[in-house]
Amino acid sequence: DAKTTQPPSMDCAEGRAANLPCNHSTISGNEYVYWYRQIHSQGPQYIIHGLKNNETNEMASLIITEDRKSSTLILPHATLRDTAVYYCIVRVVNYGQNFVFGPGTRLSVLP
Amino acid sequence: DGGITQSPKYLFRKEGQNVTLSCEQNLNHDAMYWYRQDPGQGLRLIYYSQIVNDFQKGDIAEGYSVSREKKESFPLTVTSAQKNPTAFYLCASSGQSLSYNSPLHFGNGTRLTVT
Repeated sequence: DAKTTQPPSMDCAEGRAANLPCNHSTISGNEYVYWYRQIHSQGPQYIIHGLKNNETNEMASLIITEDRKSSTLILPHATLRDTAVYYCIVRVVNYGQNFVFGPGTRLSVLP
Repeated sequence: DGGITQSPKYLFRKEGQNVTLSCEQNLNHDAMYWYRQDPGQGLRLIYYSQIVNDFQKGDIAEGYSVSREKKESFPLTVTSAQKNPTAFYLCASSGQSLSYNSPLHFGNGTRLTVT
């Protein structure tokens, strides 16, 4: 089972910031939070990951709460091309280092 | 450019036939993975490999087999024992196998249809 909870869908107006929440209340101390997105019929695309501190790259920002039980992915200026399913993943710490994907959040950016 | 290549993009087979899906990476990654995705659902792990000549079953390995003879290649065989083989298959790789913060890189998938 996925260790994260995300809303099934969200809408965002083009040009506005998209804030995608993720709950991971059972996260352990050495597990990272990863975000991926998947545009229809393509492989998932890596966006960003973090452990404790907030992270920013050219695609997005990741805000992790101080207790690490939740995080938010921020797309600062959403475009129509950001319409996709967004997956929040907590990296399972075991020999296999598996990534467990839940159903994600379907983000629709509206013109 | 470095990346993961899956071929073919679309594959059609008759029921009862085995079929092998190709996955090649030139990222020099140690770990490789196979996922299956069904419509409207997340990804489920089939098999993974952390080093050459070693692989482990994921959550839904029944009816599938893999090999890892070369670092660059991780082919997946869908056997006739797989009851519902029609799906979108995704191959991925990640860097050093003992690194906890190494992200996955995905190919663009193979859509398999079995009739």
